[in-house]
Amino acid sequence: AQKVTQAQTEISVVEKEDVTLDCVYETRDTTYYLFWYKQPPSGELVFLIRRNSFDEQNEISGRYSWNFQKSTSSFNFTITASQVVDSAVYFCALRPKTSYDKVIFGPGTSLSVIP
Amino acid sequence: DAGITQSPRHKVTETGTPVTLRCHQTENHRYMYWYRQDPGHGLRLIHYSYGVKDTDKGEVSDGYSVSRSKTEDFLLTLESATSSQTSVYFCAITEGVGGGNTGELFFGEGSRLTVL
Repeated sequence: AQKVTQAQTEISVVEKEDVTLDCVYETRDTTYYLFWYKQPPSGELVFLIRRNSFDEQNEISGRYSWNFQKSTSSFNFTITASQVVDSAVYFCALRPKTSYDKVIFGPGTSLSVIP
Repeated sequence: DAGITQSPRHKVTETGTPVTLRCHQTENHRYMYWYRQDPGHGLRLIHYSYGVKDTDKGEVSDGYSVSRSKTEDFLLTLESATSSQTSVYFCAITEGVGGGNTGELFFGEGSRLTVL
């Protein structure tokens, strides 16, 4: 079975705090891709990052960083020094490498950054 | 910008009426998808297409049909709308996987459908 779990339904932080969004996945495939998407209050879905299952290097992009740990099947997303513009719903997703339709989305985590 | 436009962006209709949502892309992508987003369910795949006239069902395809007669257009039809189909519908594209493409989805802006 393939599944993506985002246990945190809603998170509230005060501006400038760091926050980590958890993502745990299940798959029997040996090759797969993991993604994070952002959905701000305006409603559009924005692709943030992709990670290949063979590449466990962490990635940093400005205030955003991603920690991929295959041993624990986790792909966590950290926002450093959060800002009000980070308020959004964040989705983690999983896709087997050879499947074009089997993109499994997590239920999302709603992040509110309070000024 | 993935060049995806959805129309209409908002629609209110009555139970039993047919509804067609259009997804148009300008980048000649091979794969196109229709998802619906509902509170508590996240994003669920309705149908997808892997080429002109090539379509397949997703996990929530009952009550929906699709057509793709041109690369750039992917239509989602509700033959007889029901209140349970009130949702936000997203079209997405990808280049697929392989040949250096890694399959990330790029979404349209969404179409909010209300069935009364």
